[in-house]
Amino acid sequence: DIQLTQSPSFLSASVGDRVTITCRASQGISSYLAWYQQKPGKAPKLLIYAASTLQSGVPSRFSGSGSGTEFTLTISSLQPEDFATYYCQQLNIFGPGTKVDIK
Amino acid sequence: EVQLVETGGGLIQPGGSLRLSCAASGFTVSSNYMSWVRQAPGKGLEWVSVIYSGGSTYYADSVKGRFTISRDNSKNTLYLQMNSLRAEDTAVYYCARGVIAGPTLAFDIWGQGTMVTVSS
Repeated sequence: DIQLTQSPSFLSASVGDRVTITCRASQGISSYLAWYQQKPGKAPKLLIYAASTLQSGVPSRFSGSGSGTEFTLTISSLQPEDFATYYCQQLNIFGPGTKVDIK
Repeated sequence: EVQLVETGGGLIQPGGSLRLSCAASGFTVSSNYMSWVRQAPGKGLEWVSVIYSGGSTYYADSVKGRFTISRDNSKNTLYLQMNSLRAEDTAVYYCARGVIAGPTLAFDIWGQGTMVTVSS
């Protein structure tokens, strides 16, 4: 079975910072990866699919890249509303999450 | 408006049963890949089950034989029948619509979640 790992598990950042989160797959998954944002008490929200395609309505400061086994989610300039937990997903597997907190 | 609304959660004793409902609006449940995803308190997301548009169903190993996913096309509603509940089933349960987005399966519409607590 494919496993997804994320790094870091937690990061502390300031408004305006550039933030990068990595998701690694235990075997190659081409570009079959999506990213989600989840705020406390809320349902996850789809940000990116097919590794790099921005979901409609998602701000352009979010971007995704990668293929095969290594993927990244980048927030170019962190905004107050971006403090949340981020998950990668491939089919029925979710990564463990990365919590982005305020420094 | 496209949305999903879950109901049916609550406090249930170990070994008990519960049925969750997920009412859809703005799209047709039977034409889509519909899943249940759960999240234990303070933990990450765990896929639970799926029903394809053709009716095929699949389950996570952790719930296989105990949970049943189904849908009522006339009510445009998805269900999750949960039997033989265990403490480790305690979680917020979300229903979600899966779409083939490019080459990816992604969950683009989520309900607000319903809490299931299994405890004596």
